[in-house]
Amino acid sequence: DVKVTQSSRYLVKRTGEKVFLECVQDMDHENMFWYRQDPGLGLRLIYFSYDVKMKEKGDIPEGYSVSREKKERFSLILESASTNQTSMYLCASSLIPQWNEKLFFGSGTQLSVL
Amino acid sequence: ELKVEQNPLFLSMQEGKNYTIYCNYSTTSDRLYWYRQDPGKSLESLFVLLSNGAVKQEGRLMASLDTKARLSTLHITAAVHDLSATYFCAVDKGNTDKLIFGTGTRLQVFP
Repeated sequence: DVKVTQSSRYLVKRTGEKVFLECVQDMDHENMFWYRQDPGLGLRLIYFSYDVKMKEKGDIPEGYSVSREKKERFSLILESASTNQTSMYLCASSLIPQWNEKLFFGSGTQLSVL
Repeated sequence: ELKVEQNPLFLSMQEGKNYTIYCNYSTTSDRLYWYRQDPGKSLESLFVLLSNGAVKQEGRLMASLDTKARLSTLHITAAVHDLSATYFCAVDKGNTDKLIFGTGTRLQVFP
């Protein structure tokens, strides 16, 4: 089974802190994604990466950056955390170029910014 | 801009009853996905629908896709408590593996 592991289940940070959310997948997937999930808004795509050192902005990239130095690891960075970034963050991966490939999700990181 | 709308947002239904969740999307796409999320857990893939008229069934859940109407349905037959969860549909954005998710339908099944 594909395993997508997010380093923290719960995280509490202060406004202005730099925050790193880590995600590792063990199935050699090319694609990796970061979503945030908020009540009533569903999941919204922040960034995705289709190869090492490659990244593309999703629908809500403002205030975030990403890093993909190795194929298995995709990091989400909040340069200066703000209270409106309090949310559930979900990492996912998938294999390309299989068009029928579904996303495999990690268990999520609930981030609270105080 | 691709938009994905689900309705209803919340569904409370009695065990044994049937119901349908609807997923509408705004631009052409040939790939639609259904996911399930249990409280406090991550998302789990249910169905992948890849062409017009596609129908997939597993247990009490059946999903279908009408690409001309830009509509997918998730039909629940004879609901049981174990089906209580939030269900999301997601549509591929331009066949790029970028998925746009609906807001989710929270389903509660009571005795």
